[in-house]
Amino acid sequence: EADIYQTPRYLVIGTGKKITLECSQTMGHDKMYWYQQDPGMELHLIHYSYGVNSTEKGDLSSESTVSRIRTEHFPLTLESARPSHTSQYLCASSETAEGETQYFGPGTRLLVL
Amino acid sequence: DQQVKQNSPSLSVQEGRISILNCDYTNSMFDYFLWYKKYPAEGPTFLISISSIKDKNEDGRFTVFLNKSAKHLSLHIVPSQPGDSAVYFCAASGYGNDMRFGAGTRLTVKP
Repeated sequence: EADIYQTPRYLVIGTGKKITLECSQTMGHDKMYWYQQDPGMELHLIHYSYGVNSTEKGDLSSESTVSRIRTEHFPLTLESARPSHTSQYLCASSETAEGETQYFGPGTRLLVL
Repeated sequence: DQQVKQNSPSLSVQEGRISILNCDYTNSMFDYFLWYKKYPAEGPTFLISISSIKDKNEDGRFTVFLNKSAKHLSLHIVPSQPGDSAVYFCAASGYGNDMRFGAGTRLTVKP
């Protein structure tokens, strides 16, 4: 059973606002990830972290930023939201080992007007 | 460059019959493959996995087959149930490669 949480689940916000999507896991996993997914499309990796104070950009260019100050917490921030940021954002975590299974949170569905 | 492909966006089967979902990959360095199930407005849930040293892994009604020479894997669900209706994502990783996901196949199991 995965214990990974995301808030908010849904967010409708105006253009130009700053937002932070929260992600927490209680499994003690070192690796954490943020994906962006649109309907009918594959999950695109936008950020990941190997552990505390480690952050890396994924394949998909993103205007968001992340931080990893605590093992269990991996928030994603958009400084100025735009309609093109409308999407579903999925957080995941895994143990560090190769061939690891990633466990996903419930996702945040973001709509920028 | 889409390294994991699910060419069927949707599949419809009758309750009790077999569902077969297919997935192809291009990166020969992948050595770990997974299937996730996703309901609307929820995150993907891990279903079953297989490493490249095996060609079959079974868990209850779910079986994953791996054909390394063809770079192809499939998920068999038998018997299919209406509660299996969801989007199924294939994923692959290994040897330092980030996990890559297919675009998903929407399975509908009709009562």
